[in-house]
Amino acid sequence: AQTVTQSQPEMSVQEAETVTLSCTYDTSESDYYLFWYKQPPSRQMILVIRQEAYKQQNATENRFSVNFQKAAKSFSLKISDSQLGDAAMYFCACFTGANSKLTFGKGITLSVRP
Amino acid sequence: EPEVTQTPSHQVTQMGQEVILRCVPISNHLYFYWYRQILGQKVEFLVSFYNNEISEKSEIFDDQFSVERPDGSNFTLKIRSTKLEDSAMYFCASSEDVGLAAAYEQYFGPGTRLTVT
Repeated sequence: AQTVTQSQPEMSVQEAETVTLSCTYDTSESDYYLFWYKQPPSRQMILVIRQEAYKQQNATENRFSVNFQKAAKSFSLKISDSQLGDAAMYFCACFTGANSKLTFGKGITLSVRP
Repeated sequence: EPEVTQTPSHQVTQMGQEVILRCVPISNHLYFYWYRQILGQKVEFLVSFYNNEISEKSEIFDDQFSVERPDGSNFTLKIRSTKLEDSAMYFCASSEDVGLAAAYEQYFGPGTRLTVT
């Protein structure tokens, strides 16, 4: 079984600034994938970024990047040049093939100040 | 771009009634999932489905729940006798293939908000 922990319930960032959202996870599997999902007020789940555990290089998608620390089981999301549209709930999630499901953290509410 | 669709977007039902939530996964996908999210809480796995049978289910997925792929396109979640605590957003998701490398990326539908009164 795996667990995903997001200990910060809320964060706020000034528009155009950078913010980092924290996530830790635990799994006994050697092959797994990590994700950040964005959930705006519409409640649609939108994939932001993915990281394969076997890859050492941190994933990057435009303004979004991760800091993947495998030994520490840490997977933080960095949002650069924050925009008002980034305001949403962000969920960290882990997937392993062993049980074919995504395990989500509790989420963090990000607000962006104009 | 192909997407997962769900109907209805919002369902209101009385306690004890049966509801069926419908999903149309992406056409070439083989793995299907249901998740739920009680308002203000995290997204929880309910069940995964592959090759016309349940692959895995959570402890939430009790005898009141069932899933079915009645034809080549729809994937349904049935709750036989709804309870107040079933009120939640229900998300359908699908992924492409059985191998880990392809199966990991799950595409989510927009969700169905179920309200049990």
